Amino acid sequence: EAGVAQSPRYKIIEKRQSVAFWCNPISGHATLYWYQQILGQGPKLLIQFQNNGVVDDSQLPKDRFSAERLKGVDSTLKIQPAKLEDSAVYLCASSFRRVPLAGGEKINEQFFGPGTRLTVL
Amino acid sequence: AQTVTQSQPEMSVQEAETVTLSCTYDTSESDYYLFWYKQPPSRQMILVIRQEAYKQQNATENRFSVNFQKAAKSFSLKISDSQLGDAAMYFCAYRSPPSNTGKLIFGQGTTLQVKP
Repeated sequence: EAGVAQSPRYKIIEKRQSVAFWCNPISGHATLYWYQQILGQGPKLLIQFQNNGVVDDSQLPKDRFSAERLKGVDSTLKIQPAKLEDSAVYLCASSFRRVPLAGGEKINEQFFGPGTRLTVL
Repeated sequence: AQTVTQSQPEMSVQEAETVTLSCTYDTSESDYYLFWYKQPPSRQMILVIRQEAYKQQNATENRFSVNFQKAAKSFSLKISDSQLGDAAMYFCAYRSPPSNTGKLIFGQGTTLQVKP
């Protein structure tokens, strides 16, 4: 079974420019998370979707960050305009298959994608 | 609010030896989940081991085991017979109940170096 896919893997932009990241979760996973990981720190949740609805976006800087999950599958995270402090790795994760695979994944586990490393100059 | 603290920014261990990574957390909840994740230079976050707070028995996964002290709010990871492939950043993480979809709260991470 394919894992969580993210693109691009790397992105370099100038400050005040816009950027978008894409995430395709594991098939059947209802919940999707976007985390921001600044260098040397642990990931911090930006936004959580349950199907196509937002569950938690309390730490999303809404003046510049936006996210959507069309049709409850793929998701896009956008930054406009970017600031220097937005340089980080952006991780996407998915979880919660409603009908667990027999002998398969543990229902509570979050599966992470490879992340997108953003550098803002 | 829940917090997770990893007080060891860096640790090193000799190959085949044992190392313990520390983690403490703060919560007022009585039921929750704790995790250790491994993040190699590829950035892929990999689940190493998990512990349900209602279980008294410490979780084990092959060479990895935890020492869960609920009263002390401590959750350390022991890696036995360390291998070169264990070198990575390790994160301790907390998740609230009862939902299966709760966000993870991560510590700052510990970089583990394995010496041949």
